[in-house]
Amino acid sequence: QVQLQESGPGLVKPSQTLSLTCTVSGASISGGSYYWTWIRQPAGKGLEWIGRMYTSGNTNYNPSLKSRVTISVDTSRNQFSLKLSSVTAADTAVYYCARVTATFDQYYMDVWGKGTTVTVSS
Amino acid sequence: DIVMTQAPLSLSVTPGQPASISCKSSQSLLHSDGKTSLYWYLQRPGQSPQLLIYEVSNRFSGVPDRFSGSGSGPDFTLKISPVEAEDVGVYYCMQSLQLPWTFGQGTKVEIK
Repeated sequence: QVQLQESGPGLVKPSQTLSLTCTVSGASISGGSYYWTWIRQPAGKGLEWIGRMYTSGNTNYNPSLKSRVTISVDTSRNQFSLKLSSVTAADTAVYYCARVTATFDQYYMDVWGKGTTVTVSS
Repeated sequence: DIVMTQAPLSLSVTPGQPASISCKSSQSLLHSDGKTSLYWYLQRPGQSPQLLIYEVSNRFSGVPDRFSGSGSGPDFTLKISPVEAEDVGVYYCMQSLQLPWTFGQGTKVEIK
């Protein structure tokens, strides 16, 4: 079955760029009507949608983060990535990658990674 | 942004009894295709969220039939009947009608 695994540094210094990768196994990232998305969750808090990407490369971002976020895909490695620039302590969170099933104009996350904790601290 | 508001924020339930969680959206989630873009997720302790219900009332693959979703317009409900010990965790409603996709604050369900 399809599995997603996040990876990347667990500690990032303030003002630097957070970089995470999500590796997809069990299916081609280019196949099917899927989007790929990042979501984050500060400790003890709720879920915040960061952005999504279609395999064509089209992206949409949460306006609250838009100026700092880039989501990209590497189809040769079956991976997609998140970059968040100019981080502050407020960006400390568990970051999840997920697959989004798109049926016409209905979208839902049906496969999630286990999440990776990123702490922003000097 | 569409604001999703859940109630209650916490719930303590006796096993075997029913539980109900409300989710209200700040605007209609009815899509022009006739479907409603409202989803329910469960995040068990220490785990990533998992999809329970899609398009208001459809159980996702493998979800027990004690979970049911209902509602329309801006008012939606997730019912669990009967509650079992494994149902502990935080339940989130989510809308994907409009970007940015938004979640409710979450409802923490505990077992008495």
